[in-house]
Amino acid sequence: GAGVSQSPRYKVAKRGQDVALRCDPISGHVSLFWYQQALGQGPEFLTYFQNEAQLDKSGLPSDRFFAERPEGSVSTLKIQRTQQEDSAVYLCASSLRTASYEQYFGPGTRLTVT
Amino acid sequence: GNSVTQMEGPVTLSEEAFLTINCTYTATGYPSLFWYVQYPGEGLQLLLKATKADDKGSNKGFEATYRKETTSFHLEKGSVQVSDSAVYFCALNTNFGNEKLTFGTGTRLTIIP
Repeated sequence: GAGVSQSPRYKVAKRGQDVALRCDPISGHVSLFWYQQALGQGPEFLTYFQNEAQLDKSGLPSDRFFAERPEGSVSTLKIQRTQQEDSAVYLCASSLRTASYEQYFGPGTRLTVT
Repeated sequence: GNSVTQMEGPVTLSEEAFLTINCTYTATGYPSLFWYVQYPGEGLQLLLKATKADDKGSNKGFEATYRKETTSFHLEKGSVQVSDSAVYFCALNTNFGNEKLTFGTGTRLTIIP
């Protein structure tokens, strides 16, 4: 079946531009996570949704980062006024239910801020 | 807070060699432990997991045992293949109603024929 998809796969933004990254989770998956992966590092947690509710946004690095999942399915991560330090791969993961241990990851969006 | 310390890479081995990638953790409560793998050009995939002390996770010839006394979850394989070349990440979550994963920095493994 279809896995987690993300778009775009690559994004180049000039410093100061706004970007929007999309995640389509596996159909029916309740939980959705966003992670940020800097070059040569492991993924770091950004935010978590259970259906449409954003239950944890403790990992968002600044108020320039905003995420939403209005209908409990597709999610968008928005970064305003991008900075060079925002350059990273942004990963989305979904899991079937809150008690499920396995998260299924998308291929990621590689963001480069010039 | 939670943290995962992983053996630094890169690691290069010959085919059929024995593999160990060390992983230790710090966590509150009773974490679940995972190994994820990222093959070239692909997304992260769950390789194996263990949810309580002394559990052994296994998959594709890889094994890891949850050792609470040493807070470790080392990944092992008896005979590696070229197709095992990938980046391996150790991770944990503490399942307090939010299964966010805490990852190590990853270990790049290259197997040469």
